[in-house]
Amino acid sequence: EVVLTQSPATLSLSPGERATLSCRASQSVGNSLAWYQQKPGQAPSLLMYDASNRATGVPARFSAYGFGTDFTLTISSLEPEDFAVYYCQQYYNWPITFGRGTRLEIK
Amino acid sequence: EVQLVDSGGGLVQPGGSLRLSCGASGFTLSSYEMSWVRQAPGKGLEWVSYISTNGATIRHADSVRGRLTISRDTTKNSLYLEMHSLRVDDTAVYYCARRKNAYFDYWGQGTLVTVAS
Repeated sequence: EVVLTQSPATLSLSPGERATLSCRASQSVGNSLAWYQQKPGQAPSLLMYDASNRATGVPARFSAYGFGTDFTLTISSLEPEDFAVYYCQQYYNWPITFGRGTRLEIK
Repeated sequence: EVQLVDSGGGLVQPGGSLRLSCGASGFTLSSYEMSWVRQAPGKGLEWVSYISTNGATIRHADSVRGRLTISRDTTKNSLYLEMHSLRVDDTAVYYCARRKNAYFDYWGQGTLVTVAS
């Protein structure tokens, strides 16, 4: 099973700042990695897929890159609605696995 | 507009059974792979089950194999999760999710299953 390790567990930043979230895989997953955003009381929503592609409707301030075992999600300038929990997920191997999440909170 | 509506959750005793439903609209269920993903209270996401477009391939996580079973009814455009021998650690919000090219592009709103005596 591919284990995804997300860091940091919690990130405290202010609106307008840049956020950098990391996801590391225990073995190569190629570019088969997605990022999801989850707000309290809501279902997760797709942000990025295939490591670096923005999903439909996702603002350009979100970007992501990586290949193999190391992946990064960046939010260039935080908006109030960006404070949420972010999960990475690999779909290279069964079983599908998720990271434990990074909570992005307002400082 | 694509919509997934989860239902069927509730309170059940350990060892009990439940059937979750996911009604799909805005697309044809049989044209997409589908999955169930759960989230225990205050915890992260855990993939549970998968069904292929033709229904011939089904996969389950080790933690639920033999107790939870995914199925679908294409005439009703609906996905199901049959849950038996439920345990306290099955308590979670259960989401159905549509797979597009292997990632999940649409999610239901979730339905809460509580296993407690």
